[in-house]
Amino acid sequence: GAGVSQSPRYKVAKRGQDVALRCDPISGHVSLFWYQQALGQGPEFLTYFQNEAQLDKSGLPSDRFFAERPEGSVSTLKIQRTQQEDSAVYLCASSPNRDRGPHEQFFGPGTRLTVL
Amino acid sequence: QQPVQSPQAVILREGEDAVINCSSSKALYSVHWYRQKHGEAPVFLMILLKGGEQKGHDKISASFNEKKQQSSLYLTASQLSYSGTYFCGTEPKTSYDKVIFGPGTSLSVIP
Repeated sequence: GAGVSQSPRYKVAKRGQDVALRCDPISGHVSLFWYQQALGQGPEFLTYFQNEAQLDKSGLPSDRFFAERPEGSVSTLKIQRTQQEDSAVYLCASSPNRDRGPHEQFFGPGTRLTVL
Repeated sequence: QQPVQSPQAVILREGEDAVINCSSSKALYSVHWYRQKHGEAPVFLMILLKGGEQKGHDKISASFNEKKQQSSLYLTASQLSYSGTYFCGTEPKTSYDKVIFGPGTSLSVIP
């Protein structure tokens, strides 16, 4: 079956450019998470949606980062005026979260962003 | 807030055992374990919910000590396919559904 997909897989941006990263979660999954993973580090939480509601955005590093999930399915992470420190792999994960309790997160392959 | 993992890295010969530890400064609702191979997405191994819970999958098992806010992952009779980076993810009681990942433990299994 289809898993979580992300596009583009690789993105090279010049410093100052805006970028948009897309995540297609598994159909029917309620929860969607964005993580930033620097080389050799663990995934670092950025933000979390339940359906279209953004419940937690405490991990977004600055106001240059913005995420949306307008129809409760596809999500976009936008980074404005990219900086070199934004270079990382951006991972998206979804989970069914049909009821209370912890759920496995299904990760996409990630988008590797390089800011020159 | 990020959990601490130990060791940072370990090298095993095929068939040897390993333990990876994870500890948090916060009261935990659950602990998640994932494995990530180089250049790939993290893959779910297991979730532990209740203090004292132990789970197993093939020759990989884990325990969760809720009082100590610690979890351990046990890999027995390691196989080459076990190589990768293991991350624990902690779900604090104050923020359900938000999983905070540790820095990872790099595991290399050699023939």
